[in-house]
Order: sequence, then structure tokens, then C-alpha cells
Amino acid sequence: EAGVAQSPRYKIIEKRQSVAFWCNPISGHATLYWYQQILGQGPKLLIQFQNNGVVDDSQLPKDRFSAERLKGVDSTLKIQPAKLEDSAVYLCASSSFRKKLYNEQFFGPGTRLTVL
Amino acid sequence: QQQVKQSPQSLIVQKGGISIINCAYENTAFDYFPWYQQFPGKGPALLIAIRPDVSEKKEGRFTISFNKSAKQFSLHIMDSQPGDSATYFCAASRASGSRLTFGEGTQLTVNP
Repeated sequence: EAGVAQSPRYKIIEKRQSVAFWCNPISGHATLYWYQQILGQGPKLLIQFQNNGVVDDSQLPKDRFSAERLKGVDSTLKIQPAKLEDSAVYLCASSSFRKKLYNEQFFGPGTRLTVL
Repeated sequence: QQQVKQSPQSLIVQKGGISIINCAYENTAFDYFPWYQQFPGKGPALLIAIRPDVSEKKEGRFTISFNKSAKQFSLHIMDSQPGDSATYFCAASRASGSRLTFGEGTQLTVNP
């Protein structure tokens, strides 16, 4: 079974520029999550999708961050304009309730964003 | 209410020793407590998880101890190996499919 795919793996941009990250979840996983992991901290949820609908975006800075999950499969996360404090690893995860393990979330390798 | 506190921040253990990482939570609605292992440049991977209806769960060298009344849970790694050197995160969530709230992480180093 292929894992969660993310691209790009690394991105360096200037502040005030825009950037987009892409995620392809594990096939058949209805739930998709985007987490932000700042260096030295645990991941923090930005947004959660169930199929193509948003379930939880309470911690998403909506003035600059946006995300979509068209057709309930792939997802993109966009930052516009980026700030220095957005430097972090952006992790995508997916889960399926058909698995025996409770709420197991499978994480991709992440995209490391550096804002200069 | 949503925080999960994790300690220690870093831990150095000799090969063959026991590694112990502790977490505490406030939100009594949490009902799922996983531990994730993360290697540099990789995403977190589920190591072991527990529900509050049991006090202990063991999988190989890894054991979770859970104290519901104290709102604390811990990870014990027996016979620690250099390959266990990684960052470990405890987490908690309220219901199946809801967000995971992560602790701050513990960087474990196992010396050969």
C-alpha cells in the first residue's frame, strides 16, 4: 500500500510571496489532515477534511492560509502572503475508519518551508 | 483544556536500558492516546496507542501505562536500542477521526 505523498519536499520563499503544497492521501482514505510542525514542537492541526468537506479549520489562519480537497482525493494547502513565522514543516495525514486501529493517522514525509 | 504536556524534552539512555517518557492531559473528553515516533526528515509514524478503558498496553518492547484518575500516560521502551533514537510524541484525541493534539516531543538518544 503506497503511503501519503507530498510535494514539494522543500521550499524556500521570500516573505510576502505565496506558496502551495500538494498532498495525495492513501487510496480510499476519506479523512485528510494538514498539520503544521514548527521546529522543536509537536504537529498542530490546521485543517481536516472528510471527503471534500471541511470538518475542522478552527486553527487555520484564514487571512493567509487556504486549503481545498477537490473530488475528495488530493488536497492543496496555500499560504498567501507568507510570513517569517510560517517557516515550518507542513505534514499531510490521512485516515480510514475501515482500519481496525482507532483513528490511526498515516503521515506523509512533509514539506519543509523556509520563509526568508 | 486542549493541551498535552510531555516530559522530558530530551532523554539519553544507554543501550539495553529503559526509556520512560511521560504525558499529562487536561481534557477529560480525550479517549484515544497514541504515541508517534518521528525520524529526521520523516513524518510521524504510529508506534502504539491505548484507550482509557485499559491501564496498560504492551507491544513488543513498547508499553503504554495509563492512569485515568491522574490524567497521565507514559511510554516505556524496554531494552532500548540505538535504532530507537528518534523524537517521540504523545497525542490525544476526543473521538475517532478528530484532530490529534500532540505533546511537545521528546528527543531520545540511545548510546551504543
